[in-house]
Amino acid sequence: GIQVEQSPPDLILQEGANSTLRCNFSDSVNNLQWFHQNPWGQLINLFYIPSGTKQNGRLSATTVATERYSLLYISSSQTTDSGVYFCAVGGSGGSNYKLTFGKGTLLTVNP
Amino acid sequence: GAVVSQHPSWVICKSGTSVKIECRSLDFQATTMFWYRQFPKQSLMLMATSNEGSKATYEQGVEKDKFLINHASLTLSTLTVTSAHPEDSSFYICSADGTRTYEQYFGPGTRLTVT
Repeated sequence: GIQVEQSPPDLILQEGANSTLRCNFSDSVNNLQWFHQNPWGQLINLFYIPSGTKQNGRLSATTVATERYSLLYISSSQTTDSGVYFCAVGGSGGSNYKLTFGKGTLLTVNP
Repeated sequence: GAVVSQHPSWVICKSGTSVKIECRSLDFQATTMFWYRQFPKQSLMLMATSNEGSKATYEQGVEKDKFLINHASLTLSTLTVTSAHPEDSSFYICSADGTRTYEQYFGPGTRLTVT
């Protein structure tokens, strides 16, 4: 099946700093989503971005499908941004509706 | 829009009993629902995929007789953990896909503890 690698595994920032999280995947995809898992376990949809670039406030994401990677940018980080960020992809063909998750990036934003 | 609920949020049960977890799409009809399992400090692992009115498709290594999934309507799927054991303790999360894209929306999860 499709492999998903996220980096870095852990990231510690001071409030106000910017960061870039990366997601590499091993095959072509029809679905790519970024999530933030809050301390209570809820997965918050950040972006549905199988290709292209999107922005939502301080967050933006870019997926370069031909090179099999996606980037999540967080600008002017806040303590509430802390948590685990997951990238999940759905492959092409019959399995395009099934998501494979990366191991996540644990982000800690200190005041 | 695209809200998914789960009930209960947490449950404690004794070894050998069965537990049912409900997953509902509140403001859309879910063509497909998914059940995931997450152990502490780990990623989500897909357990099974269910479509309304048909049998669930289980991932390799998931015991279908232990984890019974029913997708009775376009807004409700249930996961029943039968004869639960302590190793079944985990965080169970459902998701639903009912929009025109493949985007999935996740429920808040159910934390199961088997004593």
